[in-house]
Amino acid sequence: GAGVSQSPSNKVTEKGKDVELRCDPISGHTALYWYRQSLGQGLEFLIYFQGNSAPDKSGLPSDRFSAERTGGSVSTLTIQRTQQEDSAVYLCASSPGTGGSKNIQYFGAGTRLSVL
Amino acid sequence: AQSVTQPDIHITVSEGASLELRCNYSYGATPYLFWYVQSPGQGLQLLLKYFSGDTLVQGIKGFEAEFKRSQSSFNLRKPSVHWSDAAEYFCAVGPNTGFQKLVFGTGTRLLVSP
Repeated sequence: GAGVSQSPSNKVTEKGKDVELRCDPISGHTALYWYRQSLGQGLEFLIYFQGNSAPDKSGLPSDRFSAERTGGSVSTLTIQRTQQEDSAVYLCASSPGTGGSKNIQYFGAGTRLSVL
Repeated sequence: AQSVTQPDIHITVSEGASLELRCNYSYGATPYLFWYVQSPGQGLQLLLKYFSGDTLVQGIKGFEAEFKRSQSSFNLRKPSVHWSDAAEYFCAVGPNTGFQKLVFGTGTRLLVSP
C-alpha cells in the first residue's frame, strides 16, 4: 500500500482479555518497528524486525507482550491478559532497510488501545 | 544513557511569527537526528533529518533545523508559522549505524493564535 496501515484504529477491551494489533508495512520495507505512546511514558520503542526475525525485543514491557512477523510483511503485536496500564497508542513504523537513508522510519496512524 | 530533551511542553505562536522548538540530546556518538510532527489522531510524519554533512537541513512545509554538535542541539525553526502547523512536534535520535531504535523527546505542542 501507499503507507503503513494499522488495524484496528481503536480497540476497547476488558482487563484480562487478549488483544491483537496488526501492522501492514510499506511494500518492500524490510524493517518494521513497534512503539508505544502513552501519557506517562511518551514514545517508547518496543521491538524491531528485520525480515521475520526480531533482533531487538528489549522494549517489550513484560512477557505478556509478544510480536511476530510473517512473510517479511505483516506484523502482529499480541498483548495477553491486558492490564489498565497497557492503555496507550501503539504505533508501527517501517523502513526500507537499516543503512543511511534506508533508516528513515515511516509511521502508521496507530491503534488506540483502551483497557477497561 | 541516551536521552532527548524538549524543554518546552507547550508553545503558542501568532500566525505569521517565527518559530523555534528546542531539542537537546545525550548520546554516545554523533547520532542520526529527526524531527517528526503528529496531528491529532494521526501517526508521525517526518519533517526532516540529519545524517551527516551540512549542519543546516531543510525539510518539508518550510521547516529547517540546525545541528550544533558543541551544544548537542538540533533545534527546529520556521520563519513564518501557519495555522495548519498547530500540532505536536517530536525530536528523535538514533544510532548512525545499524537499525534505528529511535529515542524520542516528550514532544512540544504548538498552538497557533490568529
